[in-house]
Amino acid sequence: AQTVTQSQPEMSVQEAETVTLSCTYDTSESDYYLFWYKQPPSRQMILVIRQEAYKQQNATENRFSVNFQKAAKSFSLKISDSQLGDAAMYFCAYRSLRRSGGGADGLTFGKGTHLIIQP
Amino acid sequence: NAGVTQTPKFRVLKTGQSMTLLCAQDMNHEYMYWYRQDPGMGLRLIHYSVGEGTTAKGEVPDGYNVSRLKKQNFLLGLESAAPSQTSVYFCASSRGGYLTDTQYFGPGTRLTVL
Repeated sequence: AQTVTQSQPEMSVQEAETVTLSCTYDTSESDYYLFWYKQPPSRQMILVIRQEAYKQQNATENRFSVNFQKAAKSFSLKISDSQLGDAAMYFCAYRSLRRSGGGADGLTFGKGTHLIIQP
Repeated sequence: NAGVTQTPKFRVLKTGQSMTLLCAQDMNHEYMYWYRQDPGMGLRLIHYSVGEGTTAKGEVPDGYNVSRLKKQNFLLGLESAAPSQTSVYFCASSRGGYLTDTQYFGPGTRLTVL
């Protein structure tokens, strides 16, 4: 079974600074996607960024970028110029195709990292 | 275009009672999912559906049943609620089963079982 590990229960960063959230995963699959979701206090799950395992180039979305190390099974999220609105729980997630065929599995999530932004 | 909606938003049950959570999506998505989120945990997949009339078990299916009689609706049932089912329940949908198909989440239902 695939597992996703987020080793940082909580991180704190000063506003306008850069912070990196860690994620490692375990899989024997060769084709999969990795995601970072943001969950603010409203509970809404918001997709921040995603990365296909076959792509060597790291994904970037404005102030959010990832460092994808496939051999190390590592997928960290870097947030640049942190803003107060970035304060939330961040979840790393994984998705692969079902071995039985017929499409992709649901998402497998890590336990999350609570990001605090200090003004 | 409301996206994914969930009914109700909050519910309190007594042990042994039954209830049904409703998820509705207006994006004509084929795939729908039910997850639960417990304190200090990420979301875990309960059941999912790859199309109208189909359902399949996820990671934590015990104690739940689901139905997908209409493409736009995915129901999650608890026949005899237990305190261990106290959780926040999220529904999600995606266009299909490709890895590139983004899952869109509803706002969640907070369920407390006393």
